[in-house]
Amino acid sequence: DAKTTQPPSMDCAEGRAANLPCNHSTISGNEYVYWYRQIHSQGPQYIIHGLKNNETNEMASLIITEDRKSSTLILPHATLRDTAVYYCIVRVSPSGTYKYIFGTGTRLKVLA
Amino acid sequence: KAGVTQTPRYLIKTRGQQVTLSCSPISGHRSVSWYQQTPGQGLQFLFEYFSETQRNKGNFPGRFSGRQFSNSRSEMNVSTLELGDSALYLCASSPRTTGSYNSPLHFGNGTRLTVT
Repeated sequence: DAKTTQPPSMDCAEGRAANLPCNHSTISGNEYVYWYRQIHSQGPQYIIHGLKNNETNEMASLIITEDRKSSTLILPHATLRDTAVYYCIVRVSPSGTYKYIFGTGTRLKVLA
Repeated sequence: KAGVTQTPRYLIKTRGQQVTLSCSPISGHRSVSWYQQTPGQGLQFLFEYFSETQRNKGNFPGRFSGRQFSNSRSEMNVSTLELGDSALYLCASSPRTTGSYNSPLHFGNGTRLTVT
């Protein structure tokens, strides 16, 4: 079963910040949170990941709560090209196994 | 750096046939994983290969198999195809070296398999 819970869909106005929440209340102490997005018929695209500190890169910011039970992906200035399904993932085992359990994700629609 | 390359991009097969899909990881990446994506089940883990050995396997029947070569390239095979095997098959690679186990997976754009 997926270890994360996300809202099924969200809308965001173009140019505004898109804030995508994710609940991962069963996360273990050394498990990272990863965010990907998938545009129709393409493979998932890596966005950002983090352990406990907030992270920022050229695509987005990741805010992780202090108890690590939830996180928020922030796209600071959403564009129409950001319309996609966004997946929040906690890797199943910290032992080095590269196994992701994908949930159903959030379908983000950026509106003109 | 070139991304993960999957071939072919599209494939149409008939029930009962077998199919082989190919994946070339990012240069220097030694781990290759395979995922199946269908509208009903979403993205599901098939298996992971590292150093030519299967390291982990998802909950799929034995008709699904794979292998990895010494240059880290991987192939996935599905025998006795069923209609339900129609899906987007995604390959992902990662360095999997000491100190990098939290490196993210990088996905290819997949092979869309249609079984008729």
